[in-house]
Amino acid sequence: GAGVSQSPRYKVTKRGQDVALRCDPISGHVSLYWYRQALGQGPEFLTYFNYEAQQDKSGLPNDRFSAERPEGSISTLTIQRTEQRDSAMYRCASSIGVSWETQYFGPGTRLLVL
Amino acid sequence: GQQLNQSPQSMFIQEGEDVSMNCTSSSIFNTWLWYKQDPGEGPVLLIALYKAGELTSNGRLTAQFGITRKDSFLNISASIPSDVGIYFCAGQPSGSARQLTFGSGTQLTVLP
Repeated sequence: GAGVSQSPRYKVTKRGQDVALRCDPISGHVSLYWYRQALGQGPEFLTYFNYEAQQDKSGLPNDRFSAERPEGSISTLTIQRTEQRDSAMYRCASSIGVSWETQYFGPGTRLLVL
Repeated sequence: GQQLNQSPQSMFIQEGEDVSMNCTSSSIFNTWLWYKQDPGEGPVLLIALYKAGELTSNGRLTAQFGITRKDSFLNISASIPSDVGIYFCAGQPSGSARQLTFGSGTQLTVLP
C-alpha cells in the first residue's frame, strides 16, 4: 500500500519567493503532522491536524509559515517570503488517530533558499 | 522549547556487539519513543513506552522508560549491518497533547 508521499522532493528557490509543500497522508489517517528537520538534528514539530482542523500550530516559527488541510486529507505547508534560514528538510507524518504516536513519516521535501 | 539530550552522538561498533544509547530530559515526559532513520527516508517507529519503569522489547531491541520519567534508553543486542542508521529518541512532554520532541540522534555504524 502507499505510504505518506510528499512533493516536491527537492525545491530550490530564491529568497523572498513563496513556496508550497504538499503532503499526501496514508489513506484513512485522521491526523497529519508537519516537522522541520535541520541537518544533524531530529525533527522539530511545526503543526498538526485532526481531519481538517488545525489543532496545534505552536511550532510554526513565525507568521510567514502556514498550513492547511481543507478536506481532511492532503495538506499544504506554505512559506511566504522565504529566507535562507528556512532551508531545511520538511517532513510530513500521519497517524490513524487513536495511536497518535505511531506516526508514519514521508520522505520529506528538501528546501534550499538561495 | 523542550530539550532532549541524546548520547552518544555517534558510535562505531563491531558486528555482533551490543549497543546502548540514552536520552535525558530536564522535564517530565508522558511517552517515550525510539525511531530509526535510514538515509533518504523518514523516521520509522521502533518502540513506544507509555509508563514509568516500562521495559519493552522488539526483537533484538530493548527500551526502558525511566522511573523519574525524565530519561529512556535503547539497547540493541548482537548488532548486524542493517542496524546502521540514525536512532532518535522522542517524547511527549507532560501537558503538550500530541506534540513530540525529538533528540538530536545517534549515528550508528556497524563494522564487519
